Amino acid sequence: AQTVTQSQPEMSVQEAETVTLSCTYDTSENNYYLFWYKQPPSRQMILVIRQEAYKQQNATENRFSVNFQKAAKSFSLKISDSQLGDTAMYFCAFMKLYSGAGSYQLTFGKGTKLSVIP
Amino acid sequence: ETGVTQTPRHLVMGMTNKKSLKCEQHLGHNAMYWYKQSAKKPLELMFVYNFKEQTENNSVPSRFSPECPNSSHLFLHLHTLQPEDSALYLCASSQGTLAGVGETQYFGPGTRLLVL
Repeated sequence: AQTVTQSQPEMSVQEAETVTLSCTYDTSENNYYLFWYKQPPSRQMILVIRQEAYKQQNATENRFSVNFQKAAKSFSLKISDSQLGDTAMYFCAFMKLYSGAGSYQLTFGKGTKLSVIP
Repeated sequence: ETGVTQTPRHLVMGMTNKKSLKCEQHLGHNAMYWYKQSAKKPLELMFVYNFKEQTENNSVPSRFSPECPNSSHLFLHLHTLQPEDSALYLCASSQGTLAGVGETQYFGPGTRLLVL
């Protein structure tokens, strides 16, 4: 079974600064996907960024980027130029690739509560 | 906000009540999911439907009964719940294919359930 660990229950960052959220995972799979989801206080879970394990290049999405270290099973999220709207719970998630079934399970970490301070 | 809607947004029910949660997706997806989100715990996958067929049931108690009449709608029927079932129930959808590729899941806003 896969496990996802987010070791920082809460973090805070000053507006306009950079913050990195940590995520480690445990799997015996070689092909998989990793995701970061954001859940603002309004509760809508939103995809932030996604990484395919077979890609060596780290995914980026505007101010969001990841540091994917496959050998270390580490998948951290860096938020640059933090904005007040970034205040949310951030969940790291792992998806194993199935062949044929068509539906894919996400395994989530417990989340990191990020507060952006004005 | 997204293509996945859920109703009601809030629900309070007694342990003897019967209620249903509804999820609708407008994304043309074929796979739909129910998750339970409790405080201090990771999201727990409950059920998965792909092309209207249930493909996963993660040992969910029978007091939770899912229904997927078509690829756009998913229901969760609730009966004789316990106070520990109080949680945020999230619906999600994804493309749902037979190919071995990873898929992004898109979430609804959730239903906040309180069982008294």
